[in-house]
Amino acid sequence: DQQVKQNSPSLSVQEGRISILNCDYTNSMFDYFLWYKKYPAEGPTFLISISSIKDKNEDGRFTVFLNKSAKHLSLHIVPSQPGDSAVYFCAARPFYNNNDMRFGAGTRLTVKP
Amino acid sequence: NAGVTQTPKFQVLKTGQSMTLQCAQDMNHEYMSWYRQDPGMGLRLIHYSVGAGITDQGEVPNGYNVSRSTTEDFPLRLLSAAPSQTSVYFCASSYSRPWESYEQYFGPGTRLTVT
Repeated sequence: DQQVKQNSPSLSVQEGRISILNCDYTNSMFDYFLWYKKYPAEGPTFLISISSIKDKNEDGRFTVFLNKSAKHLSLHIVPSQPGDSAVYFCAARPFYNNNDMRFGAGTRLTVKP
Repeated sequence: NAGVTQTPKFQVLKTGQSMTLQCAQDMNHEYMSWYRQDPGMGLRLIHYSVGAGITDQGEVPNGYNVSRSTTEDFPLRLLSAAPSQTSVYFCASSYSRPWESYEQYFGPGTRLTVT
């Protein structure tokens, strides 16, 4: 069963606008959440993370919001740039096993100039 | 720092053949993992290791073996390749201490096709 879900396979936004990528999870034992970015023919690279004790974490143009009651997190990119075009993976880890990282299926973001 | 390296980049196998995917990291990370990426499935954990001599199964371990004789290397062995193992394989490493970041560093991947 997929415990981390990214229901939008793709998203297209205009350069300079906001990109919002969504992620839902089902396992209430998850306590740490991460976003990875992946370009074609490369491995995923870490983007931003959030612990379950917070509801927001910001790093430059990237902000992750966590709504524990809804088991939902989102990644906001403001302003979006063409270089942000990539596949974005949401990942989550349960408190009882640091290494049992579960990933969503990914959302392909296209930022149009 | 080379980070996480994987070889080969591409491989074609016939059903029943065996092979080893190599992974090495030079960051002195304790944790190393193997994932496979399939369309619509995201990345799924195959096996992981919390240190030299210690390995454990992930979400989809069947058909794969691992060993960790050194901190740097974590090879993945396919015992008898099947078409269902056609996938892109990623190796990753990370620190284990809780006050350090939990982010994982991924290699560039190995694209495996089993015919």
